[in-house]
Amino acid sequence: EIVLTQSPGTLSLSPGERATLSCRASQSVSSTYLAWYQQKPGQPPRLLIYGASSRATGIPDRFSGSGSGTDFTLTISRLEPEDFAVYFCQQYGSSQFTFGPGTKLDIK
Amino acid sequence: EVQLVESGGGLVQPGGSLRLSCAASGFTFSSYNMGWVRQAPGKGLEWVSYISGGSITIFYADSVKGRFTISRDNAKNSLYLHMNSLRAEDTAVYYCASWDIGTHCFDNWGQGTLVTVSS
Repeated sequence: EIVLTQSPGTLSLSPGERATLSCRASQSVSSTYLAWYQQKPGQPPRLLIYGASSRATGIPDRFSGSGSGTDFTLTISRLEPEDFAVYFCQQYGSSQFTFGPGTKLDIK
Repeated sequence: EVQLVESGGGLVQPGGSLRLSCAASGFTFSSYNMGWVRQAPGKGLEWVSYISGGSITIFYADSVKGRFTISRDNAKNSLYLHMNSLRAEDTAVYYCASWDIGTHCFDNWGQGTLVTVSS
């Protein structure tokens, strides 16, 4: 089973700053099957990025994804107040789906 | 508009059973693979099960294999999760989600239904 590790666990930043979130896999992951989700309290997850770097419908262009192999990154170029949430990466491979533990992005 | 509405959650004793349902609308349900993902209180997301549009392909997480059964009724636009031998560690909000075979991700999610396993 592929294990995803996300860092940092918590990231404290101010609106307007740049956020860089990391997702590392225990073995190589196909970029095609790497996605990022945002979750706010009391809400279901929301798809942000699929295929490691493609934005989902309606996602602002301040969100971008990159990476390949075992290292993937979600970048938020300029934080807006509504971006403070928890972010999960997720992969599919070998009949199994796994999520990372999440990075909590909170207001400094 | 795509809608996924889960139901069937509640309080159940350890060792008990429960059936969750997910009613889908706003898309061609039979063309989409579907999944269940759960989230224990204050914790992260855990994938539970997955089923293809025609129910040919089914996967389970090791943590529920042999206890949970996923199924679907395309005529009723509904997804199900039959849960047996429930344990305290199965306590979670259970989300149904559609899997887009083009983008290879869970693209739409329901609001979730809470399952509490406790005596």
